Amino acid sequence: TQLLEQSPQFLSIQEGENLTVYCNSSSVFSSLQWYRQEPGEGPVLLVTVVTGGEVKKLKRLTFQFGDARKDSSLHITAAQPGDTGLYLCAGIANAGGTSYGKLTFGQGTILTVHP
Amino acid sequence: SAVISQKPSRDICQRGTSLTIQCQVDSQVTMMFWYRQQPGQSLTLIATANQGSEATYESGFVIDKFPISRPNLTFSTLTVSNMSPEDSSIYLCSVEKRLANYGYTFGSGTRLTVV
Repeated sequence: TQLLEQSPQFLSIQEGENLTVYCNSSSVFSSLQWYRQEPGEGPVLLVTVVTGGEVKKLKRLTFQFGDARKDSSLHITAAQPGDTGLYLCAGIANAGGTSYGKLTFGQGTILTVHP
Repeated sequence: SAVISQKPSRDICQRGTSLTIQCQVDSQVTMMFWYRQQPGQSLTLIATANQGSEATYESGFVIDKFPISRPNLTFSTLTVSNMSPEDSSIYLCSVEKRLANYGYTFGSGTRLTVV
């Protein structure tokens, strides 16, 4: 069973601060995804990383996939109250292509950004 | 990318009864996934539903408790049977996006409270 350890579980910060969320595993993932979820909604995909060492940027969000494809991080610069939500990492363990592999989710990080 | 309509969005049910949750996708998909989530926590995969065959259940979930139907490539139902308060949770369906980023699309969820 592939496990994803996500940390921290809770983050409460002030507007303008930076933060990093980590996702770690002893298993190799063919791809790793980050989702954001707001109350009453399903998770919404932010990014997928598939190549070891890959870095992707989405405005103030920077996503990194570890060289060994076992870990990933999400860094938010100058957080804003609109960033508040539940952030989830999820990995697909099956290799290659348009995978129908099951998603393994991390435990989630509840981020609260105070004005 | 696919759009999922999930209903009901919420329900309050008496223990011992059953609730059927529906998911309609606006395009044909091979696999549909059903998850359970406690508010503010991560997602746990219940089963994978493939059209034309029986659903594949994850450890800890059984067909008698969570029967699934998949009559065609755009629709699936999950029934929560003989409910108890422990079944109170958010239930979500998901499909894989047919995009290069290998992400998944989620329904908005069904918040179930069993009293």
